[in-house]
Amino acid sequence: GQNIDQPTEMTATEGAIVQINCTYQTSGFNGLFWYQQHAGEAPTFLSYNVLDGLEEKGRFSSFLSRSKGYSYLLLKELQMKDSASYLCAVRPLTGGGNKLTFGTGTQLKVEL
Amino acid sequence: DVKVTQSSRYLVKRTGEKVFLECVQDMDHENMFWYRQDPGLGLRLIYFSYDVKMKEKGDIPEGYSVSREKKERFSLILESASTNQTSMYLCASSRTSYNEQFFGPGTRLTVL
Repeated sequence: GQNIDQPTEMTATEGAIVQINCTYQTSGFNGLFWYQQHAGEAPTFLSYNVLDGLEEKGRFSSFLSRSKGYSYLLLKELQMKDSASYLCAVRPLTGGGNKLTFGTGTQLKVEL
Repeated sequence: DVKVTQSSRYLVKRTGEKVFLECVQDMDHENMFWYRQDPGLGLRLIYFSYDVKMKEKGDIPEGYSVSREKKERFSLILESASTNQTSMYLCASSRTSYNEQFFGPGTRLTVL
């Protein structure tokens, strides 16, 4: 089975940097996704990590350490529109890769 | 852009009614998914389909069935709705098992 942990809530200031952590325990691992979900809207894809290291995409970066079962999403130059829930999801090694397990999400609030 | 649409944004049904939730994607994706999203529990996979007429159970299939007669359309059926099926239902699709999933806007179902 899969077990994923994320902080429930975080607050940060506009213009700052925030790191959202995700730890997982899985019986098999084949990649980790990050999604952003604004209130009342659908989740949208942010990043995918399958190998260790940092993937950078504009203001957003995602890091993975497979040996530690750990990932983080780094958001730089925070903007008010970044206030949203951030979901971490793990792809298993078995099951054809379709059975993603999602964390419960981290609600980020960006303040002035 | 990939577009995933769902038949209703809001739906109110009575206990015991048969409920159909429809999802359509316009990008010729192989895989389609149905999730429910509940506070504190995150996104949980109900069923998915990797081809026309093919389906597999997710983590919480009890009380639900699905139908995929055409590649672009994936239906979720609640044979006899119950109050514990009140939830946000999200449909998603992906090109293959190894690509990100694109989500529809969701259907908020209330069962009275």
